[in-house]
Amino acid sequence: EAQVTQNPRYLITVTGKKLTVTCSQNMNHEYMSWYRQDPGLGLRQIYYSMNVEVTDKGDVPEGYKVSRKEKRNFPLILESPSPNQTSLYFCASSFWTGGSEQYFGPGTRLTVT
Amino acid sequence: DAKTTQPTSMDCAEGRAANLPCNHSTISGNEYVYWYRQIHSQGPQYIIHGLKNNETNEMASLIITEDRKSSTLILPHATLRDTAVYYCIVRVDSGGSNYKLTFGKGTLLTVNP
Repeated sequence: EAQVTQNPRYLITVTGKKLTVTCSQNMNHEYMSWYRQDPGLGLRQIYYSMNVEVTDKGDVPEGYKVSRKEKRNFPLILESPSPNQTSLYFCASSFWTGGSEQYFGPGTRLTVT
Repeated sequence: DAKTTQPTSMDCAEGRAANLPCNHSTISGNEYVYWYRQIHSQGPQYIIHGLKNNETNEMASLIITEDRKSSTLILPHATLRDTAVYYCIVRVDSGGSNYKLTFGKGTLLTVNP
């Protein structure tokens, strides 16, 4: 089954404790992206990647890192999480051509206390 | 991306067709109309897209007016599981660009038993 998976689905952590949210897709998509969704603010893009080893900042990259060492994986790293990073996070992927037809993961609900 | 206007909410009876309108009067000739939906706190789901011809897939039909200034998403036999926020997006798909999706407020479709 074609899908985007994220882990963990739920995470409660404390300020400053490094964490990684994994994202994996099995559709051989070139493009991958991370969003966060907050009430009243809609989806905001954090980082995106056009292909392996090619990443770039989205609209709200501060406090986040990403890497794209393999085509299928695009982990989101929070080096020192803070309470303002409490949010619902989505990973998405698509082909290079027709990239607006995106497939989203189920979401990771992160709470930083 | 062209601006879109959608009703805030709509109701539909289970088993009936749900017709969701979208106005995009400033659409350019090379902009596509995309529809996504988001069931509460789940990842957004791609539904369908089109340029100027009507499109149909296993989920829905997309009717685009001849002047392309508006479109209608049709769910032919709505079920309770179709209750979601539906987003209409108009955008150009050029290879090599950031395929960042920007959702407006969308239409909350409530399917009633």
